[in-house]
Amino acid sequence: TQLLEQSPQFLSIQEGENLTVYCNSSSVFSSLQWYRQEPGEGPVLLVTVVTGGEVKKLKRLTFQFGDARKDSSLHITAAQPGDTGLYLCAGYRYDSNYQLIWGAGTKLIIKP
Amino acid sequence: DSGVTQTPKHLITATGQRVTLRCSPRSGDLSVYWYQQSLDQGLQFLIQYYNGEERAKGNILERFSAQQFPDLHSELNLSSLELGDSALYFCASSVEGYDYGYTFGSGTRLTVV
Repeated sequence: TQLLEQSPQFLSIQEGENLTVYCNSSSVFSSLQWYRQEPGEGPVLLVTVVTGGEVKKLKRLTFQFGDARKDSSLHITAAQPGDTGLYLCAGYRYDSNYQLIWGAGTKLIIKP
Repeated sequence: DSGVTQTPKHLITATGQRVTLRCSPRSGDLSVYWYQQSLDQGLQFLIQYYNGEERAKGNILERFSAQQFPDLHSELNLSSLELGDSALYFCASSVEGYDYGYTFGSGTRLTVV
């Protein structure tokens, strides 16, 4: 059982559409992070959210941390082919000894 | 360039052989993590070192071992290789703290034939 459940596992949409990816848990996290991984490369940190209810924006990407700090979402507006990749959420729990707990990822394909 | 250096980038070897993967962490990072990623799969945590000491173990096989040296670089040793060990192996480094993320290297693609 994954401590962090990501949904959907796979998403293929047309350029210009909007989408939301979810990262859910029954546990409380001190912070959550989102990474993007392109084929054959290592994941790259996009954002860290640390406060319940926090919203952060990175150009067309909007990240939200749930009020109870058990979930997070990533919303992409007007998706572009360059957004294609594997999106991973990861979080620290207070009992995780500074070790990130990872979701299984959402594979996103944006078709031109 | 992320600041985390992994070598080699590609490795092809036969079953039963032993290989060593190397990682140099980002300057200032004391923690090093090793992950395995099979095709179209998520990241599987193998092992973590902090300032030369083993900090945590994940799903690391007994055939695999790792160490972190005084200069903080780390090596992952894979022995008695099997076809199923073919995967991308990533090293990541970090500063300790709940606000900090991991910086990943570009990985070593291991193919066992």
